[in-house]
Amino acid sequence: DAGVIQSPRHEVTEMGQEVTLRCKPISGHDYLFWYRQTMMRGLELLIYFNNNVPIDDSGMPEDRFSAKMPNASFSTLKIQPSEPRDSAVYFCASSLGGPAYNEQFFGPGTRLTVL
Amino acid sequence: QQPVQSPQAVILREGEDAVINCSSSKALYSVHWYRQKHGEAPIFLMILLKGGEQKGHDKISASFNEKKQQSSLYLTASQLSYSGTYFCGTAGIYNQGGKLIFGQGTELSVKP
Repeated sequence: DAGVIQSPRHEVTEMGQEVTLRCKPISGHDYLFWYRQTMMRGLELLIYFNNNVPIDDSGMPEDRFSAKMPNASFSTLKIQPSEPRDSAVYFCASSLGGPAYNEQFFGPGTRLTVL
Repeated sequence: QQPVQSPQAVILREGEDAVINCSSSKALYSVHWYRQKHGEAPIFLMILLKGGEQKGHDKISASFNEKKQQSSLYLTASQLSYSGTYFCGTAGIYNQGGKLIFGQGTELSVKP
């Protein structure tokens, strides 16, 4: 199994630009999670999906952030416009079942730097 | 609602033992433990689902006291490979859908 796949692995962009992060979950996993990790705030859940439907987006910082899951094998996290404070490592994770009772498999992450 | 981990950091010599604690102010369904090495993704260690449950994996084990909403991770006879940051994630009864909220992490360094 290839595991969770994320692209790009590194992204450097300038303030105001649109950024799109991509994720392919493990095949057969019904749940997909987007996390952001920074030194100051730790590992934060942004949004998660069940069977392609967003379940909880209360962690999405503001309207500049949006996430979609058009099918079971693909999700995107978009930031428009980007700001320097969005610089972080963004992880995608997937699991077979709900988050309370199931192991989450994390992708390698996308390191985003906004100048 | 974020669980509190202690200590924030610990340095060990190979072969020594360590305990990492995780405490929540909310009633919990479960506690999850992950380890993350520098520059890598978090890796799952174990889930504890029941009050008073204990689980073990090699020389790493954990307990979950449901009444106190606390969990402890025990690392015995530590190895160099145990170095990394350990996170607990808690799924609270009042969290929508039981989503995980992660603690700030405990950085563990094992020296030769």
